[in-house]
Amino acid sequence: NAGVTQTPKFRVLKTGQSMTLLCAQDMNHEYMYWYRQDPGMGLRLIHYSVGEGTTAKGEVPDGYNVSRLKKQNFLLGLESAAPSQTSVYFCASSPDMNTEAFFGQGTRLTVV
Amino acid sequence: GQSLEQPSEVTAVEGAIVQINCTYQTSGFYGLSWYQQHDGGAPTFLSYNALDGLEETGRFSSFLSRSDSYGYLLLQELQMKDSASYFCAVLHSGYSTLTFGKGTMLLVSP
Repeated sequence: NAGVTQTPKFRVLKTGQSMTLLCAQDMNHEYMYWYRQDPGMGLRLIHYSVGEGTTAKGEVPDGYNVSRLKKQNFLLGLESAAPSQTSVYFCASSPDMNTEAFFGQGTRLTVV
Repeated sequence: GQSLEQPSEVTAVEGAIVQINCTYQTSGFYGLSWYQQHDGGAPTFLSYNALDGLEETGRFSSFLSRSDSYGYLLLQELQMKDSASYFCAVLHSGYSTLTFGKGTMLLVSP
């Protein structure tokens, strides 16, 4: 059972480039989330989804877009990367909102 | 909005007991969770309190007082492997998901 898998694990982008981070879960969870983690800032919610075909903004959504076309996948897009988006990105999923969230291993993104 | 306060760092020795406090301000509060994260790793779930009182899971316990907007994580019989960051997180109606505190780094020494 793979749980939550994030692709890629590491990436370096130039300012202005675009990319998509992929999150896949095999636990049939309804809820999926994207967080970013910066030193001293904890985990901040970017976007989340409460089911296939739905998305919603979190605490820090600017500069990011998401899609949940299939229940098992949640994609995070950066249309024009900025150095301020250098961070570690974590995807998570849960069966519903008041149960344990399972996290992927993270994607370390550097924008130069 | 939501805000959570927890100490940035706590130190302790092996075998000791340590308590990590968390105070929060939020609307539409549902419950308080605790997550552990080792350096370079993914956060992993420790506990969830929706009601007042103490929840015990092995060496770890978590407490919630809704009236005081306060909770804590209690770690007993500390081991070196407990050195990690610990995050409290509130579940609230605003996002239907978790808002995390900035984390407490626990350093366990021999």
